[in-house]
Amino acid sequence: ETGVTQSPTHLIKTRGQQVTLRCSSQSGHNTVSWYQQALGQGPQFIFQYYREEENGRGNFPPRFSGLQFPNYSSELNVNALELDDSALYLCASSSPTSGRNTGELFFGEGSRLTVL
Amino acid sequence: RKEVEQDPGPFNVPEGATVAFNCTYSNSASQSFFWYRQDCRKEPKLLMSVYSSGNEDGRFTAQLNRASQYISLLIRDSKLSDSATYLCVVSHSGYALNFGKGTSLLVTP
Repeated sequence: ETGVTQSPTHLIKTRGQQVTLRCSSQSGHNTVSWYQQALGQGPQFIFQYYREEENGRGNFPPRFSGLQFPNYSSELNVNALELDDSALYLCASSSPTSGRNTGELFFGEGSRLTVL
Repeated sequence: RKEVEQDPGPFNVPEGATVAFNCTYSNSASQSFFWYRQDCRKEPKLLMSVYSSGNEDGRFTAQLNRASQYISLLIRDSKLSDSATYLCVVSHSGYALNFGKGTSLLVTP
């Protein structure tokens, strides 16, 4: 519905492995943010990318890293997975004006990661 | 202390009832305030922005009290389709949104 697509939708990994999650932003949106939502919690800001550069980062360790590509799509990489990394990972896109001025982020349906 | 605090509920109300949700935030430098709605196992979606003067969108009214660092959402004439989790959201950085844990609402027939 929002035009933001994420893949994969579900995945299972074991502790210590690495994972890459992908996001295609809504057409016309050049800013992508990633959020982690643990069960029963609100989404927590991981980082934001604008014009292929990290534009801000939340309180997450360096093993959480990302990329943004020229077509504004993005990847979230998590190394050395821990059990607590089990969560729904949400990608959100916004335009330079909508994100800052209205707070409207357009979220994808998320990638649900389970770490065993 | 969490930056955004909400009563998690659940709030169980009959159709047609009026229900109010409250939220407090800790960072006095916060500049932008919102309510998002999240349906079960779906992504969050913007419900409405919140302004100091208060604002209304149909059956929904949002209020902000900067002095008390308090935000509210009032839903009048509740519908079954209002059942969802309501997330209080605050921003001070201009790029990151700080979400509360959410308040769960169940509207029953």
